[in-house]
Amino acid sequence: NAGVTQTPKFRILKIGQSMTLQCTQDMNHNYMYWYRQDPGMGLKLIYYSVGAGITDKGEVPNGYNVSRSTTEDFPLRLELAAPSQTSVYFCASSAVAYMNTEAFFGQGTRLTVV
Amino acid sequence: DAKTTQPNSMESNEEEPVHLPCNHSTISGTDYIHWYRQLPSQGPEYVIHGLTSNVNNRMASLAIAEDRKSSTLILHRATLRDAAVYYCILRDSQTGANNLFFGTGTRLTVIP
Repeated sequence: NAGVTQTPKFRILKIGQSMTLQCTQDMNHNYMYWYRQDPGMGLKLIYYSVGAGITDKGEVPNGYNVSRSTTEDFPLRLELAAPSQTSVYFCASSAVAYMNTEAFFGQGTRLTVV
Repeated sequence: DAKTTQPNSMESNEEEPVHLPCNHSTISGTDYIHWYRQLPSQGPEYVIHGLTSNVNNRMASLAIAEDRKSSTLILHRATLRDAAVYYCILRDSQTGANNLFFGTGTRLTVIP
C-alpha cells in the first residue's frame, strides 16, 4: 500500500516559471491537503479538498492553484514562481475530518526558486 | 483553533522514558488532542490522539489532565529513531476538516 505519493522529490525553478506538484493517494480518502513548510517552521495549509470537484483555500493560498478531478489526485499548480515560494511542500489525506482520524502525509517536494 | 504551547526542545537518553508536555489552557470541550511527529527530511506522521481519557497505542501513550488544560505524550523507551519534532495539535470536532494547525513543536534529541 503506497499511501500518499508526491512527485517530484526535488525541483529547482527559475523566477516566473510554472510547475505542477503531483500528489496521489491510494486509500480512497475524501479529504486531501497541501501544506508548505519553511525552514524551522511548522506546516501551513495552502489548499484543501473535501472530495472530487470541491476545493477551498487555506491560510496561504496566494500564488497557488489546485484541482481535484478524481478522488486519488490533488495536484498543486504554481503559475509564476517567486523566491518566496521556496519551501518544502507536503500533501496529506484523511478518510474524514481530521478531528478523530489520522492524516497521512507524503514525503514532500523540496522546491527552490532562483 | 485553540493554541498549544510546547517547549522548543528536549533531550533524552536512549532507552529511557520521555515525557513531552503540551499546554492548551483554552481547549474547548469538543477539541481532540492530536500528536504528530516529523522525522528529519520526512513528512509528519500520526502518533496518537485523545479526547478525555488516557490513550495507549503501539507508539506511545497520551496522558490528559483531568481539566484537559494540558497533556503529555509519553514514549516509554526512547530510541534513536524517535529523534524528531513532536507537534501537539487541537482539533475542534465541531468546525469541520480544514486544517491541522502546526506550531513549531518540540525538537526531541535522543542521546546514545
